[in-house]
Amino acid sequence: DTAVSQTPKYLVTQMGNDKSIKCEQNLGHDTMYWYKQDSKKFLKIMFSYNNKELIINETVPNRFSPKSPDKAHLNLHINSLELGDSAVYFCASSQGLSGAEQYFGPGTRLTVT
Amino acid sequence: GNSVTQMEGPVTLSEEAFLTINCTYTATGYPSLFWYVQYPGEGLQLLLKATKADDKGSNKGFEATYRKETTSFHLEKGSVQVSDSAVYFCALMGTSGTYKYIFGTGTRLKVLA
Repeated sequence: DTAVSQTPKYLVTQMGNDKSIKCEQNLGHDTMYWYKQDSKKFLKIMFSYNNKELIINETVPNRFSPKSPDKAHLNLHINSLELGDSAVYFCASSQGLSGAEQYFGPGTRLTVT
Repeated sequence: GNSVTQMEGPVTLSEEAFLTINCTYTATGYPSLFWYVQYPGEGLQLLLKATKADDKGSNKGFEATYRKETTSFHLEKGSVQVSDSAVYFCALMGTSGTYKYIFGTGTRLKVLA
């Protein structure tokens, strides 16, 4: 059983399109995250939800919009895709906010052409 | 603000060599410190952690000690294996309501047979 799953694993699309990435965790955690990893492996948090409430919203273009329909799901919708959005996007979850281990999904490699 | 500095990679070692990957941090209070490992094509997974000064985290032969006086959390392993080849991330989670991980830039380790 996969603890944190993401779909799709690969996403190739053209500039200007709108796309979504879905994330689900079956660990019963109450906190979920989206991270972006660039080509140099630099990892940066984008958003965090705790009990479906947005608690971290880093400096991310408002073309990116997270949605958490319930505690087990956190989706990421991206409007008007740009070349610079190409990266690997990781979903993660944890139980609680402070000092908790985070469990990462396998990542979604987004390529914008 | 909080920050994590890791040694630049890549690090290339022969099998059974001793490994050290340096990590220093800047934070107020007493953050929790972590090492995560990312194998090729996968998400990050927790390797070890320490939550207070002088704590030693250990797992799979890897160790790191939380040194408050030098603000460091260096990762060590006495004898690396080819299977340890991966990217290693040092991270911290701060206190006082800063509920987000700060990751280092990652250090790629390549172990040669």
